[in-house]
Amino acid sequence: DGGITQSPKYLFRKEGQNVTLSCEQNLNHDAMYWYRQDPGQGLRLIYYSQIVNDFQKGDIAEGYSVSREKKESFPLTVTSAQKNPTAFYLCASTDRGSNEKLFFGSGTQLSVL
Amino acid sequence: GESVGLHLPTLSVQEGDNSIINCAYSNSASDYFIWYKQESGKGPQFIIDIRSNMDKRQGQRVTVLLNKTVKHLSLQIAATQPGDSAVYFCAENFLFQGNNRLAFGKGNQVVVIP
Repeated sequence: DGGITQSPKYLFRKEGQNVTLSCEQNLNHDAMYWYRQDPGQGLRLIYYSQIVNDFQKGDIAEGYSVSREKKESFPLTVTSAQKNPTAFYLCASTDRGSNEKLFFGSGTQLSVL
Repeated sequence: GESVGLHLPTLSVQEGDNSIINCAYSNSASDYFIWYKQESGKGPQFIIDIRSNMDKRQGQRVTVLLNKTVKHLSLQIAATQPGDSAVYFCAENFLFQGNNRLAFGKGNQVVVIP
């Protein structure tokens, strides 16, 4: 089955630690996105990539980094510079240039120890 | 994920009744709209979409209505079932610095009473 796989489901971060969230898709989509979801709020865009080896900052990129070395993969690193990392992180993908039917992964819940 | 429904407007509906969920969007230039359903601890699932050149679109048990005059979107669910209990949110698509961007609403919690 085609889809987007996020791992791990739950992740805990210690003070000063960098952690990486995995996102893999086999939908052959060009564009991939990372969103952050906080309770009672709309999704906020962290980073997005329209094509391999290229990515742009979203609305809340500070404290995060990404890479897009392969079409299928778009990992997100939450760095120690992100002072409030506790949130539900969602990865999504779609055909390039289109936001039609954005497909989401099942999410990663990140918490601070 | 599990706490995505905190502090959201809540609609309680009896099983079998129809549900109406409303969304006000902000950008008059938005050209495409989507409704998503999100169950606790899961990622959002696409329900239905509509382009700005339409005012109504129907799917299986769902209908989306678009009123561009007042920038309002609604989702109607017919014969609501317990499996419809979830958070529902809308998204609007617009051009930002030459790229398509989606802005998401905060969502509405729907609770179906058996």
